[in-house]
This record gives sequence, C-alpha cells and structure tokens, in this order.
Amino acid sequence: DTGVSQNPRHKITKRGQNVTFRCDPISEHNRLYWYRQTLGQGPEFLTYFQNEAQLEKSRLLSDRFSAERPKGSFSTLEIQRTEQGDSAMYLCASSLGSGTSTDTQYFGPGTRLTVL
Amino acid sequence: AQSVTQLDSQVPVFEEAPVELRCNYSSSVSVYLFWYVQYPNQGLQLLLKYLSGSTLVESINGFEAEFNKSQTSFHLRKPSVHISDTAEYFCAVSGLRSGGYNKLIFGAGTRLAVHP
Repeated sequence: DTGVSQNPRHKITKRGQNVTFRCDPISEHNRLYWYRQTLGQGPEFLTYFQNEAQLEKSRLLSDRFSAERPKGSFSTLEIQRTEQGDSAMYLCASSLGSGTSTDTQYFGPGTRLTVL
Repeated sequence: AQSVTQLDSQVPVFEEAPVELRCNYSSSVSVYLFWYVQYPNQGLQLLLKYLSGSTLVESINGFEAEFNKSQTSFHLRKPSVHISDTAEYFCAVSGLRSGGYNKLIFGAGTRLAVHP
C-alpha cells in the first residue's frame, strides 16, 4: 500500500500524559498537513510543512502541541499534558507540491485519541 | 478568510432515488472547491474538485457538482444513489495562498444514508 499511513490508529491516554503520533506521507510528496476532526465536525487545519519547514500553524495549535518533519519525510505530532478536550481524530494528509495550489491532498486513516 | 456551510447534517434517501447535498461557502478571494467522501472506518477520499473552467465537474462514480459563483454554492448531486454511497460527505474550500499550497477549510459534513 503506497498511501498515507498513520500510527497508531487508536490511542487512549490519561489526562496529563504526553502522546506522539506519526504520519508517513506518500513517497516524494513535498507537502504535509495535519488536521483535527472532532465528533460531528469537519476536519480543522492544524499545521503545514513544505519539506522540513513548518510554514503555517493554526491558532488551534496551542503551545502544548508540537509538530516536526525531520528530513522532510515522516512527521510527528506531539501533545504534551493532554486534556480531555484534545480527544479527537488527528488526520494527516500529503500532496505532491507541484508549485501551484491545485494539487490534491491525500489523507491517511487518522489516529483517534481518547483522553480519559 | 473562508468558511463553508453544509446545510444538511443528515440526508436519508431510498436506493435509486436522486440526491442533492448542499454546500455554500464564503470567501473574499477566488477559491477552489472540493468534495471529499469518508466511508465508515476509512480515511477521507477526494470525490471531485473545481479549480477553473467548466463549472460542472464530475466524479467517476456518477456524482457531479456545479460551481455557482453568484450563489456561492457548490452542491453535490447524483441522479440515482446506491447503498454503497452511504458515507459522510465533506465540502471544502481553499483560497490561493502565497507559496501555492491549499489549506482546506471543511464544512461540518453531511451524512448520506441510503436505504433499500
């Protein structure tokens, strides 16, 4: 399978713990996006990487959230001191990055986080 | 800034009946428009997109959407639905951004339930 993969698929944690999610984009895709989807809502943009550079962060991304994309390949999203409000599906998407704004984003299956 | 409103949270319909899922957007700049579909326990998949040119766009599985600039709408239609079309449908918009990437702004989604 050559699609976007995310691990783990499910994560249950206790409030106050740190969690880290991983996203492996489609090979050779330069652009990588993180979104968050809560129950009954559409995905909301969190952050964007062009290769290894993080070029935009949403105001939704508080200082407890950090994302990295070392070497411009896989990406990690870490949440420190989790809160119950962080419970959501975290989606990763990648696109080829053809130099225009029209390239298609391909989404992974998501990581469902439950904070108890 | 852009926003998307999906006017129906749920649409029940009988198999082989026509369906329309409504989407309205607001934006102060030119936009690109997308419909994504999310089948149960699967990731988001691009259904169709409007970038420029003909205002009527079609997908490979019989869906079509028409961009109406004056009404700021991008409604999704299918003349005859199948049980397998049961899914959550998300309308999304992006505006041209510096650097060329498209941050997607999603609506809240419409759950299409096709009954036999």
